Amino acid sequence: TQLLEQSPQFLSIQEGENLTVYCNSSSVFSSLQWYRQEPGEGPVLLVTVVTGGEVKKLKRLTFQFGDARKDSSLHITAAQPGDTGLYLCAGALTGGGNKLTFGTGTQLKVEL
Amino acid sequence: NAGVTQTPKFQVLKTGQSMTLQCAQDMNHNSMYWYRQDPGMGLRLIYYSASEGTTDKGEVPNGYNVSRLNKREFSLRLESAAPSQTSVYFCASSPGERGNQPQHFGDGTRLSIL
Repeated sequence: TQLLEQSPQFLSIQEGENLTVYCNSSSVFSSLQWYRQEPGEGPVLLVTVVTGGEVKKLKRLTFQFGDARKDSSLHITAAQPGDTGLYLCAGALTGGGNKLTFGTGTQLKVEL
Repeated sequence: NAGVTQTPKFQVLKTGQSMTLQCAQDMNHNSMYWYRQDPGMGLRLIYYSASEGTTDKGEVPNGYNVSRLNKREFSLRLESAAPSQTSVYFCASSPGERGNQPQHFGDGTRLSIL
């Protein structure tokens, strides 16, 4: 059983469209991170959210942590081909030390 | 800036063979991790080392062993490889104990077991 479920699993859109990726769990996390992974490389951290209801913006990317700290979303405005990649959420369980539980991943393809 | 270095990048093994995946970090991080990545399953933690001298099992430890050789190096060993261990393996490191610290990943080892 996967602790963190991401949806959708695959997303193919045209340049300029908006999209939202969801990361859901029945568990409460003390913090949640989002990573992006490109082919042949390891994941790279985009953002960390630690407070319920927190919203962080990174240029055209907006990240939100749910009020109950069980879910998160990533919204991309006016997607560009450079946004193509695998997006992974990862949560730190309370009392779990520095271990992360990764989500199932969302593969995004942005076409011209 | 090397960060996290994994060797080898690719490997093909026959069922029953053994091998060790190497990982080294140059960021003076305390914690190191080994993950495997399979399609549709994200990253699953195999073993981790919260600090030098300690190792603990993760979500999928069966069939693997690890050694935290020193602060820089954390190796993963497959004693008797099985086709189910075909995967991409990632090593990562983070500064320390708190879960909200970023993890830095290597570029992975692509392992095929025939």
